[in-house]
Amino acid sequence: GAVVSQHPSRVICKSGTSVKIECRSLDFQATTMFWYRQFPKKSLMLMATSNEGSKATYEQGVEKDKFLINHASLTLSTLTVTSAHPEDSSFYICSARDPGTSGMLETQYFGPGTRLLVL
Amino acid sequence: GQNIDQPTEMTATEGAIVQINCTYQTSGFNGLFWYQQHAGEAPTFLSYNVLDGLEEKGRFSSFLSRSKGYSYLLLKELQMKDSASYLCAVMDSNYQLIWGAGTKLIIKP
Repeated sequence: GAVVSQHPSRVICKSGTSVKIECRSLDFQATTMFWYRQFPKKSLMLMATSNEGSKATYEQGVEKDKFLINHASLTLSTLTVTSAHPEDSSFYICSARDPGTSGMLETQYFGPGTRLLVL
Repeated sequence: GQNIDQPTEMTATEGAIVQINCTYQTSGFNGLFWYQQHAGEAPTFLSYNVLDGLEEKGRFSSFLSRSKGYSYLLLKELQMKDSASYLCAVMDSNYQLIWGAGTKLIIKP
């Protein structure tokens, strides 16, 4: 089946630094990828929708200048957390939409997540 | 390798009961999650099991057997709004989520 990978799996950084997280679809081309944030045992909060070749669409309340998203190719989207602060510590998960599905049959494949800890 | 299996699609009748199974093989185990996802929306957290047994939450219940690598999500008194994809995910020893491909549940009147 389709596989989505994320790198790194975990990262620890100092407050004020920037961290880049990569999301790759390994065996299909994803025109649309999604970035989520998860708090412990909570629902996934959609941060933004990443469309290949165009600007990302951010959800209300998500700072686009802080969470930079680039979807430069059909298999790669990156999320950069700029000037990270301890409150940005979280589990970040990406997903990629199977381009052959839509509506009720829409299928998203989720990555394993990246655990970010900002000291 | 790591693997999560769940049925691709299921159909049930409004008012009935449906059980969605999930089997897993992972390197380590730090809990199993069930999420509900309507098309075009973010997944909604339903349940988290880390100990064997049944967890009941309203119309939804989730069961876990760690020795069998098996879980199920039980939905009672089905409503049309329950038509959605149901995702099973296991957190492995590295605290990474291993996702199933999701089960699309279709509810018919």
